[in-house]
Amino acid sequence: EPEVTQTPSHQVTQMGQEVILRCVPISNHLYFYWYRQILGQKVEFLVSFYNNEISEKSEIFDDQFSVERPDGSNFTLKIRSTKLEDSAMYFCASRAGNYNEQFFGPGTRLTVL
Amino acid sequence: AQSVAQPEDQVNVAEGNPLTVKCTYSVSGNPYLFWYVQYPNRGLQFLLKYITGDNLVKGSYGFEAEFNKSQTSFHLKKPSALVSDSALYFCAVSEYGNKLVFGAGTILRVKS
Repeated sequence: EPEVTQTPSHQVTQMGQEVILRCVPISNHLYFYWYRQILGQKVEFLVSFYNNEISEKSEIFDDQFSVERPDGSNFTLKIRSTKLEDSAMYFCASRAGNYNEQFFGPGTRLTVL
Repeated sequence: AQSVAQPEDQVNVAEGNPLTVKCTYSVSGNPYLFWYVQYPNRGLQFLLKYITGDNLVKGSYGFEAEFNKSQTSFHLKKPSALVSDSALYFCAVSEYGNKLVFGAGTILRVKS
């Protein structure tokens, strides 16, 4: 069964460093998402991406964040200068079409020291 | 703006008994409603969805949910709980099928 994959599973970085979180969505899906879950809190939407552009973003997704689909398979989330409060589990998700559910990857745990 | 409420932090049920995990929602348009399950150190697994049609939807692993428009609820149910159902359950709502807005989650504990 096709699945969303994410790498790395755990990333530790120093405050102020740049990190890139990688995702490979399901191959025939058209809509891509990033969410995050701070420990003990609810899952929060960050950004959605369709047709090679951002379709919606949350207040969390400020200038420090960017997304890219550099080729036909990868979907990346970049944080330019990490802060302590960026420590969270980051989930990538993809969806085939308008009435379809989102499929989530296993997540990347980001720890900012 | 959309929102989801899961009023119970935790639900405890004995194995073999029916279970209900509650969810209410708020959305301005027609709701797309979802249930996901999260096992420890794992991602979110899709269980079931309501988009349109029959108010009772059936999903994976014997779970079902009932859409109630007048009460703006979408409670998750299972006739007979298994110990392996113990996990964190999230209800989510979407407008037009785009971003998901999640509830805070409900821990389900099934005891043998």
